[in-house]
Amino acid sequence: SYELTQPPSVSVSPGQTARITCSGDALPKQYAYWYQQKPGQAPVLVIYKDNERPSGIPERFSGSSSGTTATLTISGVQAEDEAEYFCQSADSNDSYVFGTGTKVSVL
Amino acid sequence: EVQLVQSGVEVEKPGESLKISCKGSGYIFPSYWIAWVRHMPGKGLEWMGIIYPGDSDTKYSPSFQGQVTISADKSINTAYLHWSSLKASDTAMYYCARRDPGNFFFDSWGQGTLVTVSS
Repeated sequence: SYELTQPPSVSVSPGQTARITCSGDALPKQYAYWYQQKPGQAPVLVIYKDNERPSGIPERFSGSSSGTTATLTISGVQAEDEAEYFCQSADSNDSYVFGTGTKVSVL
Repeated sequence: EVQLVQSGVEVEKPGESLKISCKGSGYIFPSYWIAWVRHMPGKGLEWMGIIYPGDSDTKYSPSFQGQVTISADKSINTAYLHWSSLKASDTAMYYCARRDPGNFFFDSWGQGTLVTVSS
């Protein structure tokens, strides 16, 4: 199986932009998905297929992918966006991998 | 409304067996893959395995193959995660999650089951 690597933490002031990267060798061939997890809660999907946003997810969440790196961008960060964010992908053998997780702190 | 409701908190001793459950509602349960995901304290999410309740086709992560058993009973819309002999290192939160059909992401999650293994 392969790995997806994320920075452990990102700090951002309210109203600023947070960018979270996810690096993995399979990403040029496989989609990246992103989940938000707040303490004591289940993960929630915020981006699928690199850059699609599920209904109900605010427009300030966006995604992109280039080469071996996928990026989740939160524009105009709000206090409620403080959470841990995980990327996820799947390999050609239909097995799934999650990234190492990034804690976003809103200063 | 799609819902996955998991069984409650478990506190067990090493060596004991345990089966936790995940009951789906609001959709055609047999037609969607259900995954189990482990979240250990202070660690990331780990995919354990996935089952298709319609025919019980199951795939395991190499890290969990032989350590747990995933099963499902489509007649009662429920998936299970079973340990035959728990270890202290199995202490974690466990989530079930529904896979979006035709894609490889999880669009609905259970609330989680906390399993604590301690002597």
